Parts: sequence; C-alpha cells; structure tokens
Amino acid sequence: DARVTQTPRHKVTEMGQEVTMRCQPILGHNTVFWYRQTMMQGLELLAYFRNRAPLDDSGMPKDRFSAEMPDATLATLKIQPSEPRDSAVYFCASGSRGTTNGAGELFFGEGSRLTVL
Amino acid sequence: RKEVEQDPGPFNVPEGATVAFNCTYSNSASQSFFWYRQDCRKEPKLLMSVYSSGNEDGRFTAQLNRASQYISLLIRDSKLSDSATYLCVVNLQGGSEKLVFGKGTKLTVNP
Repeated sequence: DARVTQTPRHKVTEMGQEVTMRCQPILGHNTVFWYRQTMMQGLELLAYFRNRAPLDDSGMPKDRFSAEMPDATLATLKIQPSEPRDSAVYFCASGSRGTTNGAGELFFGEGSRLTVL
Repeated sequence: RKEVEQDPGPFNVPEGATVAFNCTYSNSASQSFFWYRQDCRKEPKLLMSVYSSGNEDGRFTAQLNRASQYISLLIRDSKLSDSATYLCVVNLQGGSEKLVFGKGTKLTVNP
C-alpha cells in the first residue's frame, strides 16, 4: 500500500536549534507539497515542487526556512534557527496532476509534530 | 476576503441526522474543488471531489455554485464514525496544482 512517509514523527527541540524534516513521496507522483498546521491558522501551504523543481515557496519565511528535493524519493524542510512560533504539525503531501489539468488528489504523510521550547 | 472560508462549528448532531457544511472561495478562476476529512491527530484524507453538476457518494453529496463561489457538503443519516473535521479545498486558479485548505468544520455525531 503506497504511502507518503515522514520523519521524524515527533521532535522537541530548543529555540535556536536546526530542525530537518524529511519526506518520501509516493513513487510516481510528480508533485510534492509542504504544509504547516496550527490551531490558529489551519493548514498553510509552505512550498511545493513539481518534478523536483521548486515552483512556489511564497508561504515560507525565507530567512529561516528552506525546502529542497535532492532526488525524486526525498524532500526536506529545514528550519534554522528554530523559534517557538514554529511549533506546529508539518505535513508533506504528494500527488499527480488532475485529469482536468487542474489539481489532483493529495496524499498526506502522517506529519511531523514539532515543538520548539 | 480569505481564500477559502468555512464555518468552524463545532457541529454536534445526533446519529441519523442530516448535516450540511458550507464553504466560500475568493478566486473566481478556481477550477478544482474537494472535501477532505481529518480525524483527530491524523492527516487529511480525500473524502470526495466536487464536480460542477454536483455529485453523490453514498450518504455524502457535494455541490458547487460557481456564480456564488460556494461549495457545500451534505451528510445524510450521519454515523458516529463521521465525527471528524471536514476541510474545504480549492485550487488558487484554473490549472493550478496549489491547493488551499479552509480551516475546517468540526463535526461530532452523538449516540
């Protein structure tokens, strides 16, 4: 059963530390998304890639966040330095272009729950 | 106007009730519409796509009103297992793969 895999599932760190979250998208999917979910803001789109190329990272704080796809099986989201306001659940999702040439279904990983003290 | 807006609820209904959720979106060029379901402390999962003519999947009916930029989800004969948060999802513009999620409407079905 194909699924998106994210690590770590939980991370507690101290302010100022670097945090790296990893995602293995479903094989064959050509789009990868990073979302952040908090109670206050809901799901916010941070960045997305198509065929490994970054297409949009306008939702990401550029000074501390970076997202990359070094190969088709790995996407990373890095926060350096981390701050308490970064505490959230970070979801990776992958998908394929929809049949109507629009958006298709997204398959989410189980998320990485980050707590920055 | 926010890109996607939903009534946050919570909705508390008895088993067997019919419940409806509404959602409005801001961009008239949006072409892809979905309802996702998210259980507590789990990831969102696709419930159903929303087509222009409206569509039904068992007890669930989704409708789209492009003129009013409005999407709805109707759940008939609600079950305890329907308790979850329902997320309205829209792409930002026609042909775009970027999906914007509403904050969700929380539903609790009570015995």
